Amino acid sequence: DVKVTQSSRYLVKRTGEKVFLECVQDMDHENMFWYRQDPGLGLRLIYFSYDVKMKEKGDIPEGYSVSREKKERFSLILESASTNQTSMYLCATTGALSYEQYFGPGTRLTVT
Amino acid sequence: ELKVEQNPLFLSMQEGKNYTIYCNYSTTSDRLYWYRQDPGKSLESLFVLLSNGAVKQEGRLMASLDTKARLSTLHITAAVHDLSATYFCAVDMSVRNTPLVFGKGTRLSVIA
Repeated sequence: DVKVTQSSRYLVKRTGEKVFLECVQDMDHENMFWYRQDPGLGLRLIYFSYDVKMKEKGDIPEGYSVSREKKERFSLILESASTNQTSMYLCATTGALSYEQYFGPGTRLTVT
Repeated sequence: ELKVEQNPLFLSMQEGKNYTIYCNYSTTSDRLYWYRQDPGKSLESLFVLLSNGAVKQEGRLMASLDTKARLSTLHITAAVHDLSATYFCAVDMSVRNTPLVFGKGTRLSVIA
């Protein structure tokens, strides 16, 4: 079974703080993705990576950056958290042969 | 640009009834995925449909894919309360290193 873990299930941060969300997968998958999910807006892709040190912007990259130094780990960084970044953040992975995405448990981030 | 539309977005149905959720997409694709999300939880893969005419069934849920009509359906038979969740479809562009495109989800509520 694919296992995708995220560093925190719940996180509360203050406006202006730098926030790191980590995602780790154990299946040697090439592709990793970060989404945010808000009521009524569905899933929105923030960034994705198809290889180590590679990154591509998704639909809503503003205010975020990412890091992929190792194949199994993909980090989402909020350089200066703002209240409009309060959301559920979901990490997902896919292998090279299948585009089915496997999701982590999610991190519910609240910025106050 | 690939667009994926689900309808209805909200569905309230009585236990024991049948209903269908529709997923339309705008460009050619022969791979489609259905996910389930329980409140506060992450997305769980339900079905992977990889060719025209594909049909898959699990319990009271059956998914099908018509690539010529660019349409997938998720049929619910004799609904039970445990099926209450949000259901997402996602379409695969079948282009390497291109993410899935998700619909906005259908929130299903099964009531007694």
